Amino acid sequence: DQQVKQNSPSLSVQEGRISILNCDYTNSMFDYFLWYKKYPAEGPTFLISISSIKDKNEDGRFTVFLNKSAKHLSLHIVPSQPGDSAVYFCAASSIYGGATNKLIFGTGTLLAVQP
Amino acid sequence: GAVVSQHPSRVICKSGTSVKIECRSLDFQATTMFWYRQFPKKSLMLMATSNEGSKATYEQGVEKDKFLINHASLTLSTLTVTSAHPEDSSFYICSARIGEGTYNEQFFGPGTRLTVL
Repeated sequence: DQQVKQNSPSLSVQEGRISILNCDYTNSMFDYFLWYKKYPAEGPTFLISISSIKDKNEDGRFTVFLNKSAKHLSLHIVPSQPGDSAVYFCAASSIYGGATNKLIFGTGTLLAVQP
Repeated sequence: GAVVSQHPSRVICKSGTSVKIECRSLDFQATTMFWYRQFPKKSLMLMATSNEGSKATYEQGVEKDKFLINHASLTLSTLTVTSAHPEDSSFYICSARIGEGTYNEQFFGPGTRLTVL
């Protein structure tokens, strides 16, 4: 049962344009969401997060939007740069998971930014 | 930022042997470390949660006798794949969490590519 889904396995955008990566979740208990960036043969690196009490969080070129009613979040990257090319994972957790803070990851979206 | 290392980065072994993977938090103490496994083009699957000085908590479907986890200190957790078989070949990633807060960020290691022949 995939509780966190990223339905687009890949996305290609032109440099300078906006990249929009989408993520859907099924568990209404999730209340904290994160985006990670991952290069091949490396561990994920944290990008940005959002709590369920917010619907938007912005950090430089990266903005995450959360639509709780639709159980949907998205990551916007603008402007996109070739160095942004990587696999992006969304992840979710729940305060009800306790102190272990388990993260449930989506399947990832491979972003390719074309020069 | 917080740095997590893994050793080795890549290991190739024969079927039936055991392989130990180390995860270290280099500049912070991690009371909780996590072990993940990633299959090609798949998500990161949490295998177990490791707390310093106590037994690891394994996710459903993960064999605790197959994947031995030891969190001996606040900066080191080890994963031992016992009697490895080709189906254990995968990319294993650890992460470490600073502090006890519910939403404290996890920092990931670079991963270990295990290939069992």
